[in-house]
Amino acid sequence: SQQGEEDPQALSIQEGENATMNCSYKTSINNLQWYRQNSGRGLVHLILIRSNEREKHSGRLRVTLDTSKKSSSLLITASRAADTASYFCATDNEDTGRRALTFGSGTRLQVQP
Amino acid sequence: ETGVTQTPRHLVMGMTNKKSLKCEQHLGHNAMYWYKQSAKKPLELMFVYNFKEQTENNSVPSRFSPECPNSSHLFLHLHTLQPEDSALYLCASSQDGGQGTEAFFGQGTRLTVV
Repeated sequence: SQQGEEDPQALSIQEGENATMNCSYKTSINNLQWYRQNSGRGLVHLILIRSNEREKHSGRLRVTLDTSKKSSSLLITASRAADTASYFCATDNEDTGRRALTFGSGTRLQVQP
Repeated sequence: ETGVTQTPRHLVMGMTNKKSLKCEQHLGHNAMYWYKQSAKKPLELMFVYNFKEQTENNSVPSRFSPECPNSSHLFLHLHTLQPEDSALYLCASSQDGGQGTEAFFGQGTRLTVV
């Protein structure tokens, strides 16, 4: 089973709406990160939230972290067609000391103009 | 442009060929990674290098052979691959230290094994 699992797998919304994606993980972590990937291209880092933080904002992005539930959410407000991409959460592993990131399967977001 | 460059962007190779993927970063990072991304599967971590030393090999078949001659360059040598090895191969780098930092990814090499 994978460390990070995103939910939903796919999401289609209209421009201007908000998009919420969720991520669950299994181990203790030092931090959780969200990445974006346009089709067939590399991943781009969006935001990092540390295990002692509960919420973080960056522009139109809002990330929450609940370490008791081992879950995180990514909210994109006032979505734009250009936000169409796949979004992944990634975590390190404090249990093993592994700092290399483990990624989930991602959420494919489609924003209709 | 993330500062991590991968070449080639696309590669088609036969099962008996030998080829190499190249990754280069000039961000001053000390950790470099190879990931494999297959359709409808999570990114799979293949190899991790810290300060040119391999620190992780996630049970990757020996037909994939990594090489890290210095902290700025990472190669993935390919030999007698199988069609199921067709995937997007992503290189990433990070400044490994402390509580973790973001990873910078290259654009990937789309590999097709025929």
